[in-house]
Amino acid sequence: EAQVTQNPRYLITVTGKKLTVTCSQNMNHEYMSWYRQDPGLGLRQIYYSMNVEVTDKGDVPEGYKVSRKEKRNFPLILESPSPNQTSLYFCASSQHGSNQPQHFGDGTRLSIL
Amino acid sequence: GQNIDQPTEMTATEGAIVQINCTYQTSGFNGLFWYQQHAGEAPTFLSYNVLDGLEEKGRFSSFLSRSKGYSYLLLKELQMKDSASYLCAVRDRDNQGGKLIFGQGTELSVKP
Repeated sequence: EAQVTQNPRYLITVTGKKLTVTCSQNMNHEYMSWYRQDPGLGLRQIYYSMNVEVTDKGDVPEGYKVSRKEKRNFPLILESPSPNQTSLYFCASSQHGSNQPQHFGDGTRLSIL
Repeated sequence: GQNIDQPTEMTATEGAIVQINCTYQTSGFNGLFWYQQHAGEAPTFLSYNVLDGLEEKGRFSSFLSRSKGYSYLLLKELQMKDSASYLCAVRDRDNQGGKLIFGQGTELSVKP
């Protein structure tokens, strides 16, 4: 089944404790992206990747890192999480092409205490 | 700047028709998407418009006017399961095929 898989789905942790949210897609998509979704603010792009070893900042990259060593994986790293990073996070992937829709993972709800 | 506006909430009756509007101001334009998102779930793709006019897909249609920076999503024969958030998103030409800018979403409640 074609899908984007995120792990974990839920995480409660404390300020300053490094964490990684994994994202994997099995559709051979070139493009992958991370978003955060907050009430009243909608989906905001954190980082995106047009292909392996190519990553770029989105609208809200501060406090996050990403890597794209393989085509299928695009982990999101919070080196020193803070409470303002408490949010619902979505990973998405698509083929290249302006008309290609993004396929979203089921989301990861992060709570940073 | 980049700006996409949608109404925050709408309410409609089962069996009726509802139109959800979206206006945008972006530095470039390379297509507009509509997504549906049920509470606690991932957004799912509904439609794509890049040329002016109406695209129809079953009960859902989407319209685009590039000169007015305007789109709408039309839902016919509303069903209770259509209660969801509807997200308008514009692809900005400045990042070829890469960047999607989302509106805040319109929360649609369908009542019996």
